[in-house]
Amino acid sequence: DAGITQSPRHKVTETGTPVTLRCHQTENHRYMYWYRQDPGHGLRLIHYSYGVKDTDKGEVSDGYSVSRSKTEDFLLTLESATSSQTSVYFCAIRDRLEQETQYFGPGTRLLVL
Amino acid sequence: AQKITQTQPGMFVQEKEAVTLDCTYDTSDQSYGLFWYKQPSSGEMIFLIYQGSYDEQNATEGRYSLNFQKARKSANLVISASQLGDSAMYFCAMRERNTDKLIFGTGTRLQVFP
Repeated sequence: DAGITQSPRHKVTETGTPVTLRCHQTENHRYMYWYRQDPGHGLRLIHYSYGVKDTDKGEVSDGYSVSRSKTEDFLLTLESATSSQTSVYFCAIRDRLEQETQYFGPGTRLLVL
Repeated sequence: AQKITQTQPGMFVQEKEAVTLDCTYDTSDQSYGLFWYKQPSSGEMIFLIYQGSYDEQNATEGRYSLNFQKARKSANLVISASQLGDSAMYFCAMRERNTDKLIFGTGTRLQVFP
């Protein structure tokens, strides 16, 4: 158990509204990631973070922003949600003791109507 | 560009039999890591096994082993003695050592029947 929680676990929202998803970890991991999972695409990286206030874009970053003001929290924001952002969102951490492996949170199901 | 290919959208296996899930990858890097994750119907992503590109022996973790053939760029997952609880989606992924990104395949759905 990598001590990762995501909130909310489920959310329904309307097109054009802002949405923020939270990833919280309790074990002081330096590296954190946001992925989205869609049928036929596997998981795709949205943004990632090397540490506080140190973030970078992934493969599918358009329409998303992130912030990391504390080690334990990595926030993903959809500034103006669109139906194409309906997806399952996973947060992950890279374990500092096992430098290669990423461990995933439980996921957030987001439906944009 | 990096790419992971899983050509089997679905596989069936009888309980207690072994099954191989295929994964091929494409990268120009010499140093990389390969992973397998399991996603049961409950939705969580569970790490199963890791293989580094310089590891000379195939990785094993309990009933899971990774059949790593570097020249063929394949990293197949072998599950021995399948159990009903092995029914799930299985994803192959790759990380290049000089980047911090996992690239995933599209997954294989495994169904274990009694």
